[in-house]
Amino acid sequence: DTGVSQDPRHKITKRGQNVTFRCDPISEHNRLYWYRQTLGQGPEFLTYFQNEAQLEKSRLLSDRFSAERPKGSFSTLEIQRTEQGDSAMYLCASSSDRTTNEKLFFGSGTQLSVL
Amino acid sequence: SQQGEEDPQALSIQEGENATMNCSYKTSINNLQWYRQNSGRGLVHLILIRSNEREKHSGRLRVTLDTSKKSSSLLITASRAADTASYFCATDASDRGSTLGRLYFGRGTQLTVWP
Repeated sequence: DTGVSQDPRHKITKRGQNVTFRCDPISEHNRLYWYRQTLGQGPEFLTYFQNEAQLEKSRLLSDRFSAERPKGSFSTLEIQRTEQGDSAMYLCASSSDRTTNEKLFFGSGTQLSVL
Repeated sequence: SQQGEEDPQALSIQEGENATMNCSYKTSINNLQWYRQNSGRGLVHLILIRSNEREKHSGRLRVTLDTSKKSSSLLITASRAADTASYFCATDASDRGSTLGRLYFGRGTQLTVWP
């Protein structure tokens, strides 16, 4: 499978716990994005990496959220001290800046439930 | 914040009928994209139309773009039960400066096609 993969698919945690999600983009893609989607809404941008550099962060990304892409390949998104309002689907997407087609390739997402 | 708004929020049709979904957006764009999302899954890119294009076709899909009205429509012809999904428009908001590929999604149209 050469698509974007995310792990885990589902995560249930108690309020106050830390969680970490992983995203493996399409191997030749140098751009990686994290989005968050709540029920009945479209995806909302969280952050963007070009290779290993985090170039943009949304105001939605509070200081409890941190994302890394240490080697410019896979990325992790960590949420510290989770709150019930963090419950959502976290989507990862990748793309390449070597084409003129700006379409994003999405993973299947990690569904987070904070109890 | 979300840029696009799809209309209607929900659409229910019979197999073989055509489905039309509309999207309105607020700012200038370089391109507009349509994505599809099956329940609990990631988004899949359907079609991209650039700001200097007025109409584009891909298989059973037809997209129009009216930049003067800041609106787009997606037509699915001869719908099938397998087309049941949520459909989102996404824009790149060119007047927000360099968006580095960030997309702004609407809330989506939930399409149900009955066999």
